[in-house]
Amino acid sequence: GESVGLHLPTLSVQEGDNSIINCAYSNSASDYFIWYKQESGKGPQFIIDIRSNMDKRQGQRVTVLLNKTVKHLSLQIAATQPGDSAVYFCAENKGTGRRALTFGSGTRLQVQP
Amino acid sequence: EAEVAQSPRYKITEKSQAVAFWCDPISGHATLYWYRQILGQGPELLVQFQDESVVDDSQLPKDRFSAERLKGVDSTLKIQPAELGDSAMYLCASSSGPGEQFFGPGTRLTVL
Repeated sequence: GESVGLHLPTLSVQEGDNSIINCAYSNSASDYFIWYKQESGKGPQFIIDIRSNMDKRQGQRVTVLLNKTVKHLSLQIAATQPGDSAVYFCAENKGTGRRALTFGSGTRLQVQP
Repeated sequence: EAEVAQSPRYKITEKSQAVAFWCDPISGHATLYWYRQILGQGPELLVQFQDESVVDDSQLPKDRFSAERLKGVDSTLKIQPAELGDSAMYLCASSSGPGEQFFGPGTRLTVL
């Protein structure tokens, strides 16, 4: 079936470097995407979202890029900090309000001091 | 800042016993979701409520799982009887409409 997935299960970066976490999706009907951060033993925490009528959105230290042609989503974290260490999930829905989020399997980001 | 509340945070039970989890969404959020997250995987939807009505329970194992949101505010998820494979994190989320969902801290269930 159609699903959201991630290319890399673990990403290790040095503190201060930029991080890029990638996600491939297969549901071409999806029109809304979210990145969540989940720390150990906690619920997912919203980072940033993007609708399909956009290809880039920026937040504080984070940028999400959406390439609908190749169905690819990425999360860029600038100047990665130790507090950024967590599992990151991309998720999608059709934006109808009646469809829950479909999550990928996650990428673990490890920030080395 | 308003948050989704869940209890208990941890639950250990023996197989064949009944368990119940409680969720209080952010005030005013009409949509409430229950997700199950197996260790190392992303959350998967169990049931979605719009006010007090179920709008999607296609992934809920109805032979043992039940969920209710009687007054359209807080919600209870029950498992009876619990099985070993039910060990997971049970997450509640709420939203005020299409888009961002706010998650609670989850209930970690261990079935022995």
